[in-house]
Amino acid sequence: DAGVTQSPTHLIKTRGQHVTLRCSPISGHKSVSWYQQVLGQGPQFIFQYYEKEERGRGNFPDRFSARQFPNYSSELNVNALLLGDSALYLCASSWGGQGDTEAFFGQGTRLTVV
Amino acid sequence: RKEVEQDPGPFNVPEGATVAFNCTYSNSASQSFFWYRQDCRKEPKLLMSVYSSGNEDGRFTAQLNRASQYISLLIRDSKLSDSATYLCVVNYGYYSGAGSYQLTFGKGTKLSVIP
Repeated sequence: DAGVTQSPTHLIKTRGQHVTLRCSPISGHKSVSWYQQVLGQGPQFIFQYYEKEERGRGNFPDRFSARQFPNYSSELNVNALLLGDSALYLCASSWGGQGDTEAFFGQGTRLTVV
Repeated sequence: RKEVEQDPGPFNVPEGATVAFNCTYSNSASQSFFWYRQDCRKEPKLLMSVYSSGNEDGRFTAQLNRASQYISLLIRDSKLSDSATYLCVVNYGYYSGAGSYQLTFGKGTKLSVIP
């Protein structure tokens, strides 16, 4: 079975541009979460979606938005990119939205803003 | 105060050594706890969940003390393949509403096992 897949794997953007990152969860998983990991830090929670509804939002500016589609795949959008948005963006999927189910991470999208 | 704090590391230990990682969390409403492992430039992978009764998986033992808001991970008989960054993780989302799942990670502790 395919794991969590993210695209693209690497991306270089210019300040002020917009970016869309994509995630396909494991088949049967209904919850998708997004995390930002800056070099040398642990991942930081951005959003969680469950059954296409937003269930959690981390401390990120409104430039960050996300959505989940009927097939449970998800997009993370970031507008007006800043240099500080350079990071590894991780998507995690789990079967349910509850905290006792395992979250599986994709390989991430490495975003560089120049 | 950071929500999840870990030993800063790095830890450099010889093969066969026993190494312990400690972690504290600030939100007493946290409901589930985990240790994740992250290899260099890879995604985090679940190592083990942590329960109040303590749990063991082979060479790995995890402990949770809710009163002290403290989590630990013990690795016995370290192998070269154990070299990685170990992330302490708590879920704060359980009481934010049904279907909520919000993992908060520590900064991670890097372990290098030396031949």
